[in-house]
Amino acid sequence: NAGVTQTPKFQVLKTGQSMTLQCAQDMNHEYMSWYRQDPGMGLRLIHYSVGAGITDQGEVPNGYNVSRSTTEDFPLRLLSAAPSQTSVYFCASSWTSSLSEQYFGPGTRLTVT
Amino acid sequence: SQQGEEDPQALSIQEGENATMNCSYKTSINNLQWYRQNSGRGLVHLILIRSNEREKHSGRLRVTLDTSKKSSSLLITASRAADTASYFCATDAEAYGGSQGNLIFGKGTKLSVKP
Repeated sequence: NAGVTQTPKFQVLKTGQSMTLQCAQDMNHEYMSWYRQDPGMGLRLIHYSVGAGITDQGEVPNGYNVSRSTTEDFPLRLLSAAPSQTSVYFCASSWTSSLSEQYFGPGTRLTVT
Repeated sequence: SQQGEEDPQALSIQEGENATMNCSYKTSINNLQWYRQNSGRGLVHLILIRSNEREKHSGRLRVTLDTSKKSSSLLITASRAADTASYFCATDAEAYGGSQGNLIFGKGTKLSVKP
């Protein structure tokens, strides 16, 4: 099993550009989530999904969009990139929810200039 | 909003010594989890302790939970240079006014183990 995979590993965007961060898992997990990690801030939840077709907002959803058309994939879209979105983005999955172990991807380092 | 807060923010020890990190939280929880993050990598789950448990072990790791004090500690015994990483506690967000099934992470303790 590959676990949780994320692409790309690194990305540089100009302000106003849009892009999609990809996340996929091959463990048949129902729950998937996106976090951003900024220096000294820990991880903050952006969006999450409890199953295919179901998504909801986390703590910091503004400027991001998600969809969950399959159990395996959970892409994160940046609609119009801003310098404040410069961060490291992590995707995670688990069997159910926070009551179970979360599996994290390797992260995507995004810089917005 | 941060639910768990780790203490200390940074810890530097020699190989072979024990490392203790603490986590405090503000409201009642269902469970508390500890994760490790090596530099430039994703987080790796270490231990999950439920609110009705007081202590849990996994290899050289020992986690305690005191719900009356709303605190948890992670002890790494006989530390190795490979234990150098950041360690995060995470609690379920529901108890903190967040959505059920989500985790809230602390800011982490940066552990450095010198050979």
